[in-house]
Amino acid sequence: AQSVTQLDSQVPVFEEAPVELRCNYSSSVSVYLFWYVQYPNQGLQLLLKYLSGSTLVKGINGFEAEFNKSQTSFHLRKPSVHISDTAEYFCAVTLKAAGNKLTFGGGTRVLVKP
Amino acid sequence: DSGVTQTPKHLITATGQRVTLRCSPRSGDLSVYWYQQSLDQGLQFLIQYYNGEERAKGNILERFSAQQFPDLHSELNLSSLELGDSALYFCASGRGGRAEAFFGQGTRLTVV
Repeated sequence: AQSVTQLDSQVPVFEEAPVELRCNYSSSVSVYLFWYVQYPNQGLQLLLKYLSGSTLVKGINGFEAEFNKSQTSFHLRKPSVHISDTAEYFCAVTLKAAGNKLTFGGGTRVLVKP
Repeated sequence: DSGVTQTPKHLITATGQRVTLRCSPRSGDLSVYWYQQSLDQGLQFLIQYYNGEERAKGNILERFSAQQFPDLHSELNLSSLELGDSALYFCASGRGGRAEAFFGQGTRLTVV
């Protein structure tokens, strides 16, 4: 079975500073990878996804992530954060044969400070 | 707006009771997924339906059941509720394969 580990449960960061959220997964078969964001009292919104091809994936709101197969990682980055990026971020995987059945990491809470 | 509609948004009920959560998927999506988000368990997959048929099961309790109707909306039934069932329940819909799942706003269930 696949699993996802988000290495940081909380990441405080100052406005306009860069941020990196770490995600490692384990799976014996090929997977699709996703990052979702959850704003307070909201549902989950897709930031970006890796299906195949280029290992650097660009998403919405200036976020990008890099797929590293050898390290089984899919870290999320943003070069300059805004107050509005304060949210919880979830890394998720799904087996290529499993449709959209997602396995989520524990989440990383990002708090952007002025 | 993801296009996935969940009702109700909030639900408060007593232990031992039964509730039904409803989900309308995005137009054209045949798959519906139910997830539970709680502080101690995080986000967990419960069950998937595809075009009316159960497709996959996750960590769903026997007290919980779901179905998908011919118009593709889905209902999650939670019975004999316990305090520990208090959580945010999300529905997502998708088209499978390489397409992503779209999540509703969730139903916050509080069992008192």
